[in-house]
Amino acid sequence: GQQLNQSPQSMFIQEGEDVSMNCTSSSIFNTWLWYKQEPGEGPVLLIALYKAGELTSNGRLTAQFGITRKDSFLNISASIPSDVGIYFCASHYGGSQGNLIFGKGTKLSVKP
Amino acid sequence: GAGVSQTPSNKVTEKGKYVELRCDPISGHTALYWYRQSLGQGPEFLIYFQGTGAADDSGLPNDRFFAVRPEGSVSTLKIQRTERGDSAVYLCASSPRGGDVQYFGPGTRLTVT
Repeated sequence: GQQLNQSPQSMFIQEGEDVSMNCTSSSIFNTWLWYKQEPGEGPVLLIALYKAGELTSNGRLTAQFGITRKDSFLNISASIPSDVGIYFCASHYGGSQGNLIFGKGTKLSVKP
Repeated sequence: GAGVSQTPSNKVTEKGKYVELRCDPISGHTALYWYRQSLGQGPEFLIYFQGTGAADDSGLPNDRFFAVRPEGSVSTLKIQRTERGDSAVYLCASSPRGGDVQYFGPGTRLTVT
């Protein structure tokens, strides 16, 4: 079935460093979504991508929708301690309007 | 305004018992979704409501799981004869319409002993 593969699984970085993570699939998707989840909370949408090749920024975050429609990456520049959390990529499954499929997440730890 | 709320925040139950988990979506959102998140995994889709009806229940793992949304607002996820493997965080999300951005609640952590 459709599956989203995220890498790396976890990252330990120093405050101020830039971060890059990605999400790949063997299937084509029409949207790519990036969520962040903090302990005890639900995922919060960071960036939504709807078009192949699209590059979108949200403050220090930048994400791109791969031109093959099978991958996406998320970059965080000049990381700060509050960037700590788990970052998930997600997309709509099987053309459904409601059903999101998620990757397993990239856990980010930031040392002050 | 208020976000998606879920009650209880934690639920511990014994194997074989029945549980109900409640979700209050953002006011005016017609679409409501339930997901299950196991430790170290991303959320896994269970069911999607558009108004009062289930538009997609393909993620419900078996017939022990059932969800309702009788008035098109609050939803209840019901699990019968709970098993230890049902232990997870159950997340609810809502959106203005199906296909729109989904806003998640904080989840209910279910532990089956």
